[in-house]
Amino acid sequence: SQTIHQWPATLVQPVGSPLSLECTVEGTSNPNLYWYRQAAGRGLQLLFYSVGIGQISSEVPQNLSASRPQDRQFILSSKKLLLSDSGFYLCAWSRGPGTEAFFGQGTRLTVV
Amino acid sequence: DAKTTQPTSMDCAEGRAANLPCNHSTISGNEYVYWYRQIHSQGPQYIIHGLKNNETNEMASLIITEDRKSSTLILPHATLRDTAVYYCIVRVGYAAGNKLTFGGGTRVLVKP
Repeated sequence: SQTIHQWPATLVQPVGSPLSLECTVEGTSNPNLYWYRQAAGRGLQLLFYSVGIGQISSEVPQNLSASRPQDRQFILSSKKLLLSDSGFYLCAWSRGPGTEAFFGQGTRLTVV
Repeated sequence: DAKTTQPTSMDCAEGRAANLPCNHSTISGNEYVYWYRQIHSQGPQYIIHGLKNNETNEMASLIITEDRKSSTLILPHATLRDTAVYYCIVRVGYAAGNKLTFGGGTRVLVKP
């Protein structure tokens, strides 16, 4: 069966510090991978998606970047965090077009 | 992807059926209807999806009108654990990158 791992579950970081969130998927190959953010009391915003290694599409210009160094690994990064980067970050995967997506349990990031 | 319109919130009684409506009047022929839900502080969970025909699985039933301009998600016997935000999403099945865009959803409160 397929599983998605996302860590850490919670993170408190000072403004200006770097960020690295990692997501890995097991039990499948060549998945589509996604990063979403959910600000407090708000809906889910698609940040990045990837259809393959090294292929990243950005949905919203921002202070974040994403990378996919391996087939089942997706990383969300920032060089310098802003207060506005606080939120609930979710990684998801799907088999491809027309298929449902499966989400990780999320990382709650608080920038102080 | 077509836009969807859902009620902001609704209450339902434990043990009764919960009927969650969704309007998608601009849906096109190659767009599917997907439903997800998000329980507080967790990642969204896939529930069901369909194109034209009604669908049923162990979680819910999806009723799509003949003109496909609206649909209803039915939770046959709501439990307290079904309290969540329910998202109706319409998207093409072959979209490059398989983007999944979430709207505001319906906040469902199941009451004892």
